Amino acid sequence: GAGVSQSPRYKVTKRGQDVALRCDPISGHVSLYWYRQALGQGPEFLTYFNYEAQQDKSGLPNDRFSAERPEGSISTLTIQRTEQRDSAMYRCASSPTWNEQYFGPGTRLTVT
Amino acid sequence: KQEVTQIPAALSVPEGENLVLNCSFTDSAIYNLQWFRQDPGKGLTSLLLIQSSQREQTSGRLNASLDKSSGRSTLYIAASQPGDSATYLCAVWDAGGTSYGKLTFGQGTILTVHP
Repeated sequence: GAGVSQSPRYKVTKRGQDVALRCDPISGHVSLYWYRQALGQGPEFLTYFNYEAQQDKSGLPNDRFSAERPEGSISTLTIQRTEQRDSAMYRCASSPTWNEQYFGPGTRLTVT
Repeated sequence: KQEVTQIPAALSVPEGENLVLNCSFTDSAIYNLQWFRQDPGKGLTSLLLIQSSQREQTSGRLNASLDKSSGRSTLYIAASQPGDSATYLCAVWDAGGTSYGKLTFGQGTILTVHP
């Protein structure tokens, strides 16, 4: 079956613009997670959902970052008024239960 | 706050060698530990998942052990091949509180296997 998909795969935007990153989890997976990965580092947790409920958003760096999963399936991570420090790989993962997480290919965001 | 450290940061070996990657974590209250492989331009591929009640897991040439009390895990790769070249990431899933589901990753070990 299809794995986790993310779009776009690459996004270049100018400083100050808003961006929306999309994650389509594996069908039927209850939990969905967002991570951010800087070059040469491991991914860092941003937020996660069980169904449509956002359970933990402690990793969101500031109030320019928000995420939603309105129907308990597809999720969108939105970054408002982007800054150069937001440039990173944004990764999404899904999980059927409190167990193994399956990652998508990521979205490479570059803010110029 | 959980912290995960991986040693070494990089490793270069000739084909055929057996090798060990190390992972340590500061808080032993974990739900499970997961080893991933990361290839350039691709997502993270899960290699092995060890539940907190388990001591090891095996898949093919890979064997991962977990010593929760000492906060350590090792990934053993037997008879390494050039196709094993990748970044290997260790991640722990903290138990308790509101952090269910949050994986804390190490910084990774970059493995290069020479033909």
